[in-house]
Amino acid sequence: GQSLEQPSEVTAVEGAIVQINCTYQTSGFYGLSWYQQHDGGAPTFLSYNALDGLEETGRFSSFLSRSDSYGYLLLQELQMKDSASYFCAVRTGGFKTIFGAGTRLFVKA
Amino acid sequence: GAVVSQHPSRVICKSGTSVKIECRSLDFQATTMFWYRQFPKKSLMLMATSNEGSKATYEQGVEKDKFLINHASLTLSTLTVTSAHPEDSSFYICSATSGRMDTQYFGPGTRLTVL
Repeated sequence: GQSLEQPSEVTAVEGAIVQINCTYQTSGFYGLSWYQQHDGGAPTFLSYNALDGLEETGRFSSFLSRSDSYGYLLLQELQMKDSASYFCAVRTGGFKTIFGAGTRLFVKA
Repeated sequence: GAVVSQHPSRVICKSGTSVKIECRSLDFQATTMFWYRQFPKKSLMLMATSNEGSKATYEQGVEKDKFLINHASLTLSTLTVTSAHPEDSSFYICSATSGRMDTQYFGPGTRLTVL
């Protein structure tokens, strides 16, 4: 079967750094994406890693190790507005994408 | 980034009626569109993949006669929930992509409530 594992919840304080891990087991792999979703809203694209290594976009960075079937999303200088659900997703073929169950991030003052 | 719209954003209907949801790519031509379903505090579950001009590919367990998908043009796909029942109540989200994109872009979602 195909599966993506990520923690269900993470809590951190404003200004801190948090890392959300994702391990995957899929029949195909083109790349790993991360999406942010606030309650009641649609997912918004954060990052995409097709190759090993770290991609940085402002306060957010994403890492991929294909040999370990592992990636993470790193959020720095946390702000209250970062409280949301974060989904890792694997593009398995063409543009078909399998989503993880999501990690709810709670940012406290 | 690319913009995808959905209409309506919210719909309430009676059991047994059919509901059509539209998904449009506003500033790009979407060769592929996806339809997802999401229950509260749960992940997105892919229902079907739709390529312009061809029949949709449904995921296992999704009834194609109940969830009719039409991708008539490069900017429009529709999902029709036929003979809706209360268990069909959910958040339906479409996404769209083109061959040049690394990712898919999501619409704002449609919250369907079947009474």
